[in-house]
Amino acid sequence: DVVLTQTPPTLSATIGQSVSISCRSSQSLLHSNGNTYLNWLLQRPGQPPQLLIYLVSRLESGVPNRFSGSGSGTDFTLKISGVEAEDLGVYYCVQSTHAPYTFGAGTKLELK
Amino acid sequence: QVQLKESGPGLVQPSQTLSLTCTVSGFSLTSYSVHWVRQHSGKSLEWMGRMWSDGDTSYNSAFTSRLSISRDTSKSQVFLKMNSLQTEDTGTYYCARNFWGYWGQGVMVTVSS
Repeated sequence: DVVLTQTPPTLSATIGQSVSISCRSSQSLLHSNGNTYLNWLLQRPGQPPQLLIYLVSRLESGVPNRFSGSGSGTDFTLKISGVEAEDLGVYYCVQSTHAPYTFGAGTKLELK
Repeated sequence: QVQLKESGPGLVQPSQTLSLTCTVSGFSLTSYSVHWVRQHSGKSLEWMGRMWSDGDTSYNSAFTSRLSISRDTSKSQVFLKMNSLQTEDTGTYYCARNFWGYWGQGVMVTVSS
């Protein structure tokens, strides 16, 4: 199974600070069809996950553009340019290139 | 608008079978896949299986021997059945539409006698 390693596990930030989360895969997530199925999700307390970024860098509709994704192959990053209070929660990367699909362990974003 | 809603018993006895239903609206099951995902309390997410738009299914091998996913397109429902439940199967079960853009609210299942 593909292992997604997220770092850091916890992130403390002030409002307005820019932060990054890393997601490293145990194997390339480039699919034979040319797509890389790496998404980023945010789960707020008591809520289901919400899609932020799909196909590495594409912003889901309605998601603020302070969120951005980058990377390729096995190395991916989610950046938040100017944290806002509503961004607090747990961030997960998820890959759907190789079955079984797998999730990272999560990165908890909290206020400093 | 697109919606998914899980339903099923909140409490299941050990060794019994879990039956959950995901009722969808705003899209057709013949156009989109639906996944089942489990989350233990305070933990990460675990992909269980997928109902493809063509009716085929894929399963996580961690569950293969005891998991079954089916659907009724006329009712816009996807079903999960998992047998031989143990206490470690306690958690919140979600259905989600491909490509993870839409999720149900989840149903919490406790396995206990």
